[in-house]
Amino acid sequence: KNQVEQSPQSLIILEGKNCTLQCNYTVSPFSNLRWYKQDTGRGPVSLTIMTFSENTKSNGRYTATLDADTKQSSLHITASQLSDSASYICVVSAWRVDYKLSFGAGTTVTVRA
Amino acid sequence: GAGVSQSPRYKVAKRGQDVALRCDPISGHVSLFWYQQALGQGPEFLTYFQNEAQLDKSGLPSDRFFAERPEGSVSTLKIQRTQQEDSAVYLCASSSVFPGEQYFGPGTRLTVT
Repeated sequence: KNQVEQSPQSLIILEGKNCTLQCNYTVSPFSNLRWYKQDTGRGPVSLTIMTFSENTKSNGRYTATLDADTKQSSLHITASQLSDSASYICVVSAWRVDYKLSFGAGTTVTVRA
Repeated sequence: GAGVSQSPRYKVAKRGQDVALRCDPISGHVSLFWYQQALGQGPEFLTYFQNEAQLDKSGLPSDRFFAERPEGSVSTLKIQRTQQEDSAVYLCASSSVFPGEQYFGPGTRLTVT
């Protein structure tokens, strides 16, 4: 059973609008949570990484939040651009084996002009 | 500098053939990881090297899968007697420190017919 679940599976937004992606995980004991962006035909690229003690982390127009108590995270994209069209993957690592990344299936975001 | 490179980018194999997938990590990166990404899914961990030592191969799906990194740099993932269920994108990642941020290559898309 996948230990990282993401929603929605896909979404379409208009350029300039905001959106929020959700991630729930059961990986335990928790080490860190990352959000990756994967363009079609490319490898994933890290956007943010958060440890247990961090509640929020920003990278430009991307803001990630983490609630380690409820094991939930979100990625908020502000003022979307066409180049934001990609798959966004939530990745969680467990303590002591944090090299072994557990990936969600991703949320496919399509930004339309 | 150059990122992680993988070759070939696309490989079509007939069922039963052996294939070899190559990964060139970022120069100087000591850790190297292989992942398998099925269509529409997030990547799944296959194996991990630190220099030339294969420290974790728990994700390899069967004994038909074999990975090596003889000189602690380039790595090869070999799949013997390919099956249709082996069709996937195989991603390689490297990191400069353990566990460290993993930098992904573009992947090799393997199609078994």
